[in-house]
Amino acid sequence: DTGVSQNPRHKITKRGQNVTFRCDPISEHNRLYWYRQTLGQGPEFLTYFQNEAQLEKSRLLSDRFSAERPKGSFSTLEIQRTEQGDSAMYLCASSPTRDNYGYTFGSGTRLTVV
Amino acid sequence: DAKTTQPPSMDCAEGRAANLPCNHSTISGNEYVYWYRQIHSQGPQYIIHGLKNNETNEMASLIITEDRKSSTLILPHATLRDTAVYYCIVNSGYSTLTFGKGTMLLVSP
Repeated sequence: DTGVSQNPRHKITKRGQNVTFRCDPISEHNRLYWYRQTLGQGPEFLTYFQNEAQLEKSRLLSDRFSAERPKGSFSTLEIQRTEQGDSAMYLCASSPTRDNYGYTFGSGTRLTVV
Repeated sequence: DAKTTQPPSMDCAEGRAANLPCNHSTISGNEYVYWYRQIHSQGPQYIIHGLKNNETNEMASLIITEDRKSSTLILPHATLRDTAVYYCIVNSGYSTLTFGKGTMLLVSP
């Protein structure tokens, strides 16, 4: 297993377009997290899955954002009608079910909305 | 989760120990102290975590004060590759991690 994989690494899109990012977690990890990071800030939590169930969503996750994790394996994060303020690094992480275990992050997808 | 306070930046000479402080005066009894770091253009990397005992692994040591209100992450022999933003996070394990702005550690030759 090579860790958490995110694709694409970079995405440039025009304002108003829809974009979708993919995250492949470590295979034995049941928990999957999405974070967003803007320049100079720490990562901000967006949403969290345990297996296929989406258990928590941040208020940052507006109705233009949707995340799925079908079959509890990979996850997708879709942003509809992108805005310039959506430009950020989108990070995915996974962890085992047991508590107090560190997250393993992917390298992220950098989104630029022009 | 309890809030943490870290200096915005620190410098360290290559080969010397880097001691990164973190204050968490409102920490609860069931909350752990986690440290992550983020090298430029990469995702955060887990370093170490502890509850009340000092911890050591291949990357670093974590010293937690007896009252648990502060902690120090120690990189015993800093290298240029340790230049990164270091995040101290307090978490019970029952909620998702909340990152602050961290400490930017610059290791110089």
